[in-house]
Amino acid sequence: QKEVEQDPGPLSVPEGAIVSLNCTYSNSAFQYFMWYRQYSRKGPELLMYTYSSGNKEDGRFTAQVDKSSKYISLFIRDSQPSDSATYLCAMSAGPPGAGSYQLTFGKGTKLSVIP
Amino acid sequence: GAVVSQHPSRVICKSGTSVKIECRSLDFQATTMFWYRQFPKKSLMLMATSNEGSKATYEQGVEKDKFLINHASLTLSTLTVTSAHPEDSSFYICSAPGGDTQYFGPGTRLTVL
Repeated sequence: QKEVEQDPGPLSVPEGAIVSLNCTYSNSAFQYFMWYRQYSRKGPELLMYTYSSGNKEDGRFTAQVDKSSKYISLFIRDSQPSDSATYLCAMSAGPPGAGSYQLTFGKGTKLSVIP
Repeated sequence: GAVVSQHPSRVICKSGTSVKIECRSLDFQATTMFWYRQFPKKSLMLMATSNEGSKATYEQGVEKDKFLINHASLTLSTLTVTSAHPEDSSFYICSAPGGDTQYFGPGTRLTVL
């Protein structure tokens, strides 16, 4: 079993739809959870960062972490064509900003928002 | 957020040559940087951890002599792909920890003919 599982899609939705992306993981040591957005042939861009369980909202984006189920989600409200990208979940056992902990990534879900 | 740059953004080289990729943290210092490789439709795979002032730490299966890493200063790490072969063609991305998380460079597309 891989440490982080993420459905690669592709996922295609109409403009304005609510998008739900998710990842499951097996390593109970993971404490820090991130969502990155990656446009084609570009580096990943940090979208959301969450520590432990709970919800976090930033504009149209909401991240949820359920550590008891080892399940994390990213919701995008009122999706826009500019949201079309690959979304990668990532997680680590310690503070990723400290430099001592690696990030483990999911495969990424390719999202297309159709005008 | 913090900015990490990479140079070059893309490079095409002949088989057998060496290619150097630079990763710079532009507005913060990083004693550690990470190098990843990403194949099409695959996730980022960590290759090595670059440590300023000491040797890099390589992940299992990554050839140390092929992928040379030098962390020359607190803002610069370089990855040199030596004697490149077509199977080394990939998207190479670096990251640097800062604040709460890691910030990624824009990536370097390497094509070996």
